[in-house]
Amino acid sequence: DIQMTQSPSTLSASVGDRVTITCRASQSFSTWLAWYQQKPGKVPNLLIYKTSTLESGVPSRFSGSGSGTEFTLTISNLQPDDFATYYCQQYHSYPLTFGGGTKVEIK
Amino acid sequence: QVQLVQSGAEVEKPGASVKVSCKASGYSFTDYGVHWVRQAPGQGLEWMGWINPGNVNTKYSQNFQGRVTISSDTSATTAYMELSSLTSEDTAVYFCARSRPDRGWIYFDCWGQGTQVTVSS
Repeated sequence: DIQMTQSPSTLSASVGDRVTITCRASQSFSTWLAWYQQKPGKVPNLLIYKTSTLESGVPSRFSGSGSGTEFTLTISNLQPDDFATYYCQQYHSYPLTFGGGTKVEIK
Repeated sequence: QVQLVQSGAEVEKPGASVKVSCKASGYSFTDYGVHWVRQAPGQGLEWMGWINPGNVNTKYSQNFQGRVTISSDTSATTAYMELSSLTSEDTAVYFCARSRPDRGWIYFDCWGQGTQVTVSS
């Protein structure tokens, strides 16, 4: 199984900041990685797939990059609506696995 | 619009089974897989397995092997997840989610609203 480790687990930031979340994989793979945003009591929402492709309707301040064992989600110009928990998910192989999540809090 | 609507909350006793449904609408049911993902209280997301309604193939996480059965009814455009031998550790919100079935497309672009399953004596 591919283990996905996210860091940090919690991140404190201010509106307007640029934040980066890292997802490290226990095995190398190319591009089959997605990112989701989840707000408390809500359903996860797809942000990015194939490492860097923005889902339709997702603001361009979200971006993704990486390959191999290290992938990143960057939010530039953090907005009040962005305070949430973010998860990475690999779909290179089964079982599909998620990172443990990164909670972005207001500083 | 594309929608997945799940059945309502369940309370079960330890050792029992639970079956959750996921009704799809707004797209061709057999063109997409339906996955099941759960989230324990305050925890992250855990993939359980999926079904391709187009060919009824299934794949399960080893963490649930033998306890989970995923099925589908094409005429009802509904997928089901049954989990048996419940323990308190199965208390969680269970989500269904849609993906294309092809390699390289197994990410979730639409989710059900979630079903709370509580296991308590």
